Parts: sequence; structure tokens; C-alpha cells
Amino acid sequence: DAGITQSPRHKVTETGTPVTLRCHQTENHRYMYWYRQDPGHGLRLIHYSYGVKDTDKGEVSDGYSVSRSKTEDFLLTLESATSSQTSVYFCAISEAIEYGYTFGSGTRLTVV
Amino acid sequence: RKEVEQDPGPFNVPEGATVAFNCTYSNSASQSFFWYRQDCRKEPKLLMSIYSSGNEDGRFTAQLNRASQYISLLIRDSKLSDSATYLCVVSSPQGTYKYIFGTGTRLKVLA
Repeated sequence: DAGITQSPRHKVTETGTPVTLRCHQTENHRYMYWYRQDPGHGLRLIHYSYGVKDTDKGEVSDGYSVSRSKTEDFLLTLESATSSQTSVYFCAISEAIEYGYTFGSGTRLTVV
Repeated sequence: RKEVEQDPGPFNVPEGATVAFNCTYSNSASQSFFWYRQDCRKEPKLLMSIYSSGNEDGRFTAQLNRASQYISLLIRDSKLSDSATYLCVVSSPQGTYKYIFGTGTRLKVLA
């Protein structure tokens, strides 16, 4: 399932430092998403993109920004990491809403 | 009320058993429905899409009841390899591009 890759797979960073996570797809899908998954909360949408340079906020967007300068890449930036942003981050892609998502393998981020 | 609600379980069942999960959703305008499977420390993977009233794929049957706003997943002849968390997923109302995930139901199939 090499159609979507996330990097890095694991990262430990210090509080207050900026962090960028990358999602790369080779499927040419229009829609891309960033989720975080935490125990007891399930998957929560951070930001999503419906085209190059077209992005919108999800339910937990505070402290995060995104950019999509080309179809294949969707970057998630934590401007100043906090311990509450310790989580597993999943990127997902979708061709159309009725087809469901394909997820990347996730990035496990620890903020110390 | 949560937009998508699931019983978190865990459901502990013996091999060969039949097990059913239910999921309720709050927005009657939702159009697309899915079940995803997530193994421990892995990404969710699409298990089944649910069309009109239901869908069957081997040992798995998913049903949709629009009037009562719930979907269900039935697993027959459970295997050890079915042990996972099952996520109920519902699309946001038409015009947006998002899915809403339930928190998942844990299934453990016992030998």
C-alpha cells in the first residue's frame, strides 16, 4: 500500500519547538486529511484539503497549520509543540466522499 | 449527543461465534457509511462500505437503517484474526468532504 506515506514515523521533540509532519500520496486524489488519534477520543479531524491551496479547519485545529502546494503533498505544522499534542497523527486521502479514506501508517509524536 | 456513537466494548467472544456491533449517528442527512478495522498500533483500514440498506462480504454483513439512524456489523464464524477495533464511519452532510468516526468497538476473539 505505497499510495500514501507519512514521515517521520516517530518523532520526539521538545515543548516549544516547531514540528512539521509530511504526507505524500501517489494516487492523485483530490482530498487529503490530517487526524489525530488519542485514547478515549478516537480519530479527530485537524485540517483537511479539497485541492491545491484549498484547506479548511477541522474540529481540533488550534495550534496546527497546514499547507498544500501540490496535489501529492500535505504538510501539518505544529507551530510551537505542547505536551497536549503528543498523539498519533494519521494522514488520509480520498478520491471522493463516497469512496472512503485510505490512511497512511501514522506518525507517533511525543512532545516532552 | 455525539455525532457517531459506538459501544466501546470490549466484546470477548469464542472462536466460531457470531458477534454484532451497532452504531448510531445523529445527522439524518449523512449519505455514506463505512466500517473500518484498526489493529493495535496500526492505521484504520476500510472493511466495508454500506450501500442502500446493506452489504455482505463473506462472513461480514453490514446493514443500514436510515429511519432509526443506525448501522450494524455482523461477523459470523469469528476467527482469532478478527480481533481488532471496529470503527463506524459516517460522512458529513452533503457539501462537505469529511467523515466522522466513532471511537470504536474492541473485539477479542478467544481460542
